[in-house]
Amino acid sequence: GENVEQHPSTLSVQEGDSAVIKCTYSDSASNYFPWYKQELGKGPQLIIDIRSNVGEKKDQRIAVTLNKTAKHFSLHITETQPEDSAVYFCAASISGGSYIPTFGRGTSLIVHP
Amino acid sequence: ETGVTQSPTHLIKTRGQQVTLRCSSQSGHNTVSWYQQALGQGPQFIFQYYREEENGRGNFPPRFSGLQFPNYSSELNVNALELDDSALYLCASSLFRGASGANVLTFGAGSRLTVL
Repeated sequence: GENVEQHPSTLSVQEGDSAVIKCTYSDSASNYFPWYKQELGKGPQLIIDIRSNVGEKKDQRIAVTLNKTAKHFSLHITETQPEDSAVYFCAASISGGSYIPTFGRGTSLIVHP
Repeated sequence: ETGVTQSPTHLIKTRGQQVTLRCSSQSGHNTVSWYQQALGQGPQFIFQYYREEENGRGNFPPRFSGLQFPNYSSELNVNALELDDSALYLCASSLFRGASGANVLTFGAGSRLTVL
């Protein structure tokens, strides 16, 4: 089955800095890679996703890159703000059918004002 | 549009007891997945229900069982509770679209289970 590794487990930055979270996956058949943000006391929420036919995707301060050859993908947050503080999860799956993503272990991002 | 709602939000049980957790899907969704999230870990897939039948199962023992109802709501039942079952149980709904594309998961806030 799919195995997703996520690093770092904790990331502490100053407000305004950039933050990068990296993930690797094992199953070359995986073609859909969502990122979720989980705030305290809430369930994970989808913030951005990327499919294997695209190398990079941006949405305002958030971007995701994918390297299919190396089987790794990354989340980039620029100009971080205190409200970006949360746990971020990457996931990998095969699009369509019984959509069952495999999640990484999460990165706790702390943005200091 | 209503999101995914779960109940109860918190509960405490003792070893050996049984628990039932409930989930109401987001309007328009027809598939429900259940995840177990231990402290400091990512969500682990338990099982998925589509058309009231189990449509995939993760590496969990048979004492974890579920149901999906005609209105797409769902239950997770855990029998013979063990201390390691203490976790946040997340329900996520989605719209099954066959091979046409990824099904975005919408998560509820979870049910926090503590087993003493």
